Amino acid sequence: GQQLNQSPQSMFIQEGEDVSMNCTSSSIFNTWLWYKQDPGEGPVLLIALYKAGELTSNGRLTAQFGITRKDSFLNISASIPSDVGIYFCAGRVRGGATNKLIFGTGTLLAVQP
Amino acid sequence: GAVVSQHPSRVICKSGTSVKIECRSLDFQATTMFWYRQFPKQSLMLMATSNEGSKATYEQGVEKDKFLINHASLTLSTLTVTSAHPEDSSFYICSARPGLADRDTQYFGPGTRLTVL
Repeated sequence: GQQLNQSPQSMFIQEGEDVSMNCTSSSIFNTWLWYKQDPGEGPVLLIALYKAGELTSNGRLTAQFGITRKDSFLNISASIPSDVGIYFCAGRVRGGATNKLIFGTGTLLAVQP
Repeated sequence: GAVVSQHPSRVICKSGTSVKIECRSLDFQATTMFWYRQFPKQSLMLMATSNEGSKATYEQGVEKDKFLINHASLTLSTLTVTSAHPEDSSFYICSARPGLADRDTQYFGPGTRLTVL
């Protein structure tokens, strides 16, 4: 199935550091979403972006919808141990019967106290 | 936020048996539900999309006769893995949306870990 390219694949950082990850696609999306998944659980929505150029924050998290509509990034500031997990971007194309969500390849974040 | 539940959370079965996984939206009506499969250290791969009262739409490469989906009501969808084999062992995650507008959030269930011996 189709996937979005997400980088980096993994990050190992110290508590307090800032984190940046991004997602790129060859296709245009109308919606970009960022999810976090803890081991053995389903993804939880962090931030949703609906317009090209949109910059949205949720606490220490900030995400942007790229102008070209083919990319998005997520920043986490002042990381803490509970930020550990796998972060997925996801894009959706409007229209059609399903409006299905395509997921990125994921970024594994490890935070050392 | 909205809650989506899955049952069972974990199932172990013998090869050749069938397994049913339930997905429920607990506090909203889901016009559309989605079923994903996730292998270890990999991303979520969409298997199929189901709309209440109609046949599911399967992604390319997903066998519809093997993965039976029933979306009998606006709050319940079931995935039945028929004649399961060890290669079907995976983490199955359902998702539900209250509508198809851009801002209708897609909520995910906690997942079902299937192990086929």
